Amino acid sequence: RKEVEQDPGPFNVPEGATVAFNCTYSNSASQSFFWYRQDCRKEPKLLMSVYSSGNEDGRFTAQLNRASQYISLLIRDSKLSDSATYLCVVNERSNFNKFYFGSGTKLNVKP
Amino acid sequence: DTAVSQTPKYLVTQMGNDKSIKCEQNLGHDTMYWYKQDSKKFLKIMFSYNNKELIINETVPNRFSPKSPDKAHLNLHINSLELGDSAVYFCASRSRTGSSYNSPLHFGNGTRLTVT
Repeated sequence: RKEVEQDPGPFNVPEGATVAFNCTYSNSASQSFFWYRQDCRKEPKLLMSVYSSGNEDGRFTAQLNRASQYISLLIRDSKLSDSATYLCVVNERSNFNKFYFGSGTKLNVKP
Repeated sequence: DTAVSQTPKYLVTQMGNDKSIKCEQNLGHDTMYWYKQDSKKFLKIMFSYNNKELIINETVPNRFSPKSPDKAHLNLHINSLELGDSAVYFCASRSRTGSSYNSPLHFGNGTRLTVT
């Protein structure tokens, strides 16, 4: 079983739509959680960290559910520029230096 | 600009050759990484160094040898290149000091290696 699992998509949505991605992780001792964004042929870039109480950054909201071991990302009012692959990343308490990446969820926002 | 920078951006070479990729960060981070992203886009850790000390060494062929001359640099040397080594290699760094459990990775812009 993979440490981090994501639906690969693609999610095809119109501009202005609200879209949500989930990600599940297998290790209950996981410590830190992040969403990264990767554009085609580019490096992953941090979108946002995910905090236990949930957090929001503009149109983006991240939630953590430790009991069910999943994190989510909600994008409101989708823009064409949101088209990218979104990577779920988990860092474990037992190995602070090790990050586990999901395989990514592809989002296509259409005009 | 503060960043993680790696060179070269593209590397095309023949099987059997030896090549190196260089990485430097000026973010003041003490931990650096090499990741490999294959054709299926899955990012897999290869190595990690903290203050020049190797702390993660995943199941990677010993043709791959990382070297960290100081905490701001982490290079990757690959001997006897094989077709299956073709991938994008990303360098990354993070700060490990203090209460930095939530400190994220910062990536370089990648080296696209093609072995022919």
